[in-house]
Amino acid sequence: GAVVSQHPSRVICKSGTSVKIECRSLDFQATTMFWYRQFPKKSLMLMATSNEGSKATYEQGVEKDKFLINHASLTLSTLTVTSAHPEDSSFYICSALTGGSHNEQFFGPGTRLTVL
Amino acid sequence: GQNIDQPTEMTATEGAIVQINCTYQTSGFNGLFWYQQHAGEAPTFLSYNVLDGLEEKGRFSSFLSRSKGYSYLLLKELQMKDSASYLCAPMDSNYQLIWGAGTKLIIKP
Repeated sequence: GAVVSQHPSRVICKSGTSVKIECRSLDFQATTMFWYRQFPKKSLMLMATSNEGSKATYEQGVEKDKFLINHASLTLSTLTVTSAHPEDSSFYICSALTGGSHNEQFFGPGTRLTVL
Repeated sequence: GQNIDQPTEMTATEGAIVQINCTYQTSGFNGLFWYQQHAGEAPTFLSYNVLDGLEEKGRFSSFLSRSKGYSYLLLKELQMKDSASYLCAPMDSNYQLIWGAGTKLIIKP
């Protein structure tokens, strides 16, 4: 299947700093990418839909000024957690739609963020 | 509204067969995915159904009935490594996956 990568896989940062997470579709172009957050033992929670060349669509309750999303190309979307706090510690997962008739969604491996 | 209903937890024996059921309600429908997720990892794609019927892929099969809003994942010849959470995720009219909490499958020797 299609491959989606995320970088970094793990990051530890101090409270108040910003962290950028990259999501790349390696062997296909993705007009649409999604960013999810997962708390321990909970379902994936959609944070926002990232569309190439336009502003991201955020889900209700997600602060767009805190979670900055940039989908600069058809293979790259970035999520920047600004002024991180310990409560932002979580597992962040991106996915990308392949388009076409199946329009499958493939997930990145996830990024474990720990804010001290 | 949109919702997914799956059992929270199931237990099965190594070598046996288990069926994980899922009922769903969505705004529009563009197919249904099953994902496997091991603890601490991202979900991995198992199957995609958009038409009614059974799709078989090795030890895993997935069934869909759109009129009933029902799907199941069938796992045969269970192995210990199959212990994981299984997520049923229909795709709505906006091509967004609707997630439930998944079914935690425990395999015993």
